[in-house]
Amino acid sequence: GQQLNQSPQSMFIQEGEDVSMNCTSSSIFNTWLWYKQDPGEGPVLLIALYKAGELTSNGRLTAQFGITRKDSFLNISASIPSDVGIYFCAGQLTSGTYKYIFGTGTRLKVLA
Amino acid sequence: DSGVTQTPKHLITATGQRVTLRCSPRSGDLSVYWYQQSLDQGLQFLIQYYNGEERAKGNILERFSAQQFPDLHSELNLSSLELGDSALYFCASSVGTTKETQYFGPGTRLLVL
Repeated sequence: GQQLNQSPQSMFIQEGEDVSMNCTSSSIFNTWLWYKQDPGEGPVLLIALYKAGELTSNGRLTAQFGITRKDSFLNISASIPSDVGIYFCAGQLTSGTYKYIFGTGTRLKVLA
Repeated sequence: DSGVTQTPKHLITATGQRVTLRCSPRSGDLSVYWYQQSLDQGLQFLIQYYNGEERAKGNILERFSAQQFPDLHSELNLSSLELGDSALYFCASSVGTTKETQYFGPGTRLLVL
């Protein structure tokens, strides 16, 4: 079945550093979503992307919908301790059932 | 607070038992989605309902079933439970069925002993 490769799997960074993560697939998507999940909580939507090439910001977060429609990127600038958590990408397929496929997550740890 | 509610928050049961998880979508949302998240795993899509009807099916086991009621709340039924069914079960809702952002509930943590 379709898979989303999300990388990196985990990362430790210093407070104030910028962070980049991405999701890639062999499938084409018509929507990309980025979520953050805190321990024991449900995922919270950060950014939604609906068009190839679209670049959208939400505060210190910026995400892009890849031109090929097979990838997406999330950048966090000037990280702070509360950025800790697991970040998931989700892609909505163009065909058939329109279901979302989720990446396996990037676990972010910020060192103060 | 996403506006999606799920009950119960925690559930502990034994193998072979049956449980029902409940979800109320955000006001105005017609679609409900169920996901399973095992330890250190991503979210696995189980099933989607739209306005009372099944719309999409993912990796849902035959022992699992779901339904959406006229008031749009949904229930996920898990039967003949196995140890491997222990996981977080999330419900999400959206307005429609296509190109719609999904908002997640807080989840139900199921532990099968």
